[in-house]
Amino acid sequence: ETGVTQSPTHLIKTRGQQVTLRCSSQSGHNTVSWYQQALGQGPQFIFQYYREEENGRGNFPPRFSGLQFPNYSSELNVNALELDDSALYLCASSLPSALGRVIEETQYFGPGTRLLVL
Amino acid sequence: EDQVTQSPEALRLQEGESSSLNCSYTVSGLRGLFWYRQDPGKGPEFLFTLYSAGEEKEKERLKATLTKKESFLHITAPKPEDSATYLCAVQDGTYKYIFGTGTRLKVLA
Repeated sequence: ETGVTQSPTHLIKTRGQQVTLRCSSQSGHNTVSWYQQALGQGPQFIFQYYREEENGRGNFPPRFSGLQFPNYSSELNVNALELDDSALYLCASSLPSALGRVIEETQYFGPGTRLLVL
Repeated sequence: EDQVTQSPEALRLQEGESSSLNCSYTVSGLRGLFWYRQDPGKGPEFLFTLYSAGEEKEKERLKATLTKKESFLHITAPKPEDSATYLCAVQDGTYKYIFGTGTRLKVLA
């Protein structure tokens, strides 16, 4: 158990709809990242939030957006769903810490939300 | 462009047959290289983080090493419960993470 939870576990939507996925980070973790994982592929980085601000973004269009809340929970919102958005969506929380000149950041993943767009 | 390539795509081993998985990478400003294990239908499980060339880390039957261009995950005397997909990822200087497509490992009893 990583202490990271996601809801819902499964979701079915139709093309053009909007969806909100939720993540509850491990207690005290101030950084959360979201990923999209298609079947048989590695996770694709969507974006990262640090202390409620976007801290890095992958190659995803603006219809993918997020929020991080003071209680370390977060949301991934996807507008205008497309068929290719069908995937496992993963969140990962971390607490960056300094070890000398190195910033250590171990990510702990949740179990994911499986989204199917019809 | 940042890139992570893992090989082989799939690997079948007999119980006790040691082997290595490879992760080669091209990244601007490497902040860290990560190894994860992923079981079907679950999120990735953290194994190791490596930060600089020459670094090594061990955990039970697994040992991860890092050079300037690649990382290896050595599996010594594997057991059937080691069967999983092993993912390699790097974090670049802009805090972006890039994952490889993974190596599917099957250990036969």
